[in-house]
Amino acid sequence: QVQLQESGPGLVKPSQTLSLTCTVSGGSISRGVYSWNWIRQHPGKGLEWIGNIHHSGSTYYNPSLKSRVTISVDTSKNQFSLQVNSVTAADTAVYYCARNSEVLGVILPPDYWGQGTLVTVSP
Amino acid sequence: DIQMTQSPSSLSASVGDRVTITCRASQAISSYLAWYQQKPGKVPNLLIYDASTLQSGVPTRFSGSGSGTDFTLTISSLQPEDVATYYCQKYNSAPWTFGQGTRVEIK
Repeated sequence: QVQLQESGPGLVKPSQTLSLTCTVSGGSISRGVYSWNWIRQHPGKGLEWIGNIHHSGSTYYNPSLKSRVTISVDTSKNQFSLQVNSVTAADTAVYYCARNSEVLGVILPPDYWGQGTLVTVSP
Repeated sequence: DIQMTQSPSSLSASVGDRVTITCRASQAISSYLAWYQQKPGKVPNLLIYDASTLQSGVPTRFSGSGSGTDFTLTISSLQPEDVATYYCQKYNSAPWTFGQGTRVEIK
């Protein structure tokens, strides 16, 4: 059973960089049928898809965040990461990592999610 | 970007009622539509994908329909454990936008 676990600082100062890691257990991150997603949820609000990294290595980002976001994979550690630059209070949210699959070339939505981690942006 | 609009934003129904939630895409997305359930304080849980395919382990009282721009999530007989917020998500192309959510409560 695959499991995902987010980790990283819970408090980040404005203008700094938010960095989170998602550790994948129970399966290889490099298996060529998965993509790896970051999704966030502002307190009391809805879900916002940040972006993902395809098993091919291609990355796809939400245009609303694209200029500040980088998603990368470290296959040696079975982890993928999120960096958000120049954060403000508006980046305060619960951040989720999630996996989606591709079956016979057909993309499926995220089905395995981490528990989420709250990141607060504050001086 | 394609926008996803859910209605209603909240609803209150009695146990055993049939509940319907609608999701509309601003452009056609074929059947690349998923529904998630998020209970308070919990992680979103995938209920339906490809607009109408029930995820393994999800109770059969949940069903989905639609294609193109108009989609529906139906709970055939509302149960107390269905109290949650429900989200639709498109995943045909980036960005994989979510609807704003529909909160379901028991009357």
